[in-house]
Amino acid sequence: DQQVKQNSPSLSVQEGRISILNCDYTNSMFDYFLWYKKYPAEGPTFLISISSIKDKNEDGRFTVFLNKSAKHLSLHIVPSQPGDSAVYFCAASDGFDNYGQNFVFGPGTRLSVLP
Amino acid sequence: DSGVTQTPKHLITATGQRVTLRCSPRSGDLSVYWYQQSLDQGLQFLIQYYNGEERAKGNILERFSAQQFPDLHSELNLSSLELGDSALYFCASEREGHEQFFGPGTRLTVL
Repeated sequence: DQQVKQNSPSLSVQEGRISILNCDYTNSMFDYFLWYKKYPAEGPTFLISISSIKDKNEDGRFTVFLNKSAKHLSLHIVPSQPGDSAVYFCAASDGFDNYGQNFVFGPGTRLSVLP
Repeated sequence: DSGVTQTPKHLITATGQRVTLRCSPRSGDLSVYWYQQSLDQGLQFLIQYYNGEERAKGNILERFSAQQFPDLHSELNLSSLELGDSALYFCASEREGHEQFFGPGTRLTVL
């Protein structure tokens, strides 16, 4: 039973346009969400996060939107650049204690930005 | 460079064998997480250690075990290997913030 879903395995976008990556979750206890980017032969790298007390967080070209009632979040990349081509993982956590967090990752969406 | 190191980078072995994967967290990070990524799959959480003690367990097989040493490096031991164990194995470390920093991974191929 996948608690974090990324229903689009792949996405192609033209350079300069907006990329929208979607993520759905089922566990209502999740209160912290992150996006990671992964290039081939490298480990995932942190991109942006959002707490459940917010509905939007922005960092440069990257914006994450959270819709708690729909249990849905999305990552917007504007404008998209060829260097953004990578696999994007959505991750969720149901709490942070003194020992760290237990993240649940989605299966990933492969973004291809075409020049 | 995330500051998390993993060795070896690649490992090729045969079914039934045992291997050890090593992870050194970022300086000062007390938590180490292990993940498995099979072909075209997402990251599956295996196990977490915090300051030497097992903290959380995910989908880790009984044939797999891990430990974290006093210097905070961690090892993931995989035994009685099967073809299906072929995957990328990542470790990640975390200090106080909410994001985890991942190592470059170890690619395990079981023939």
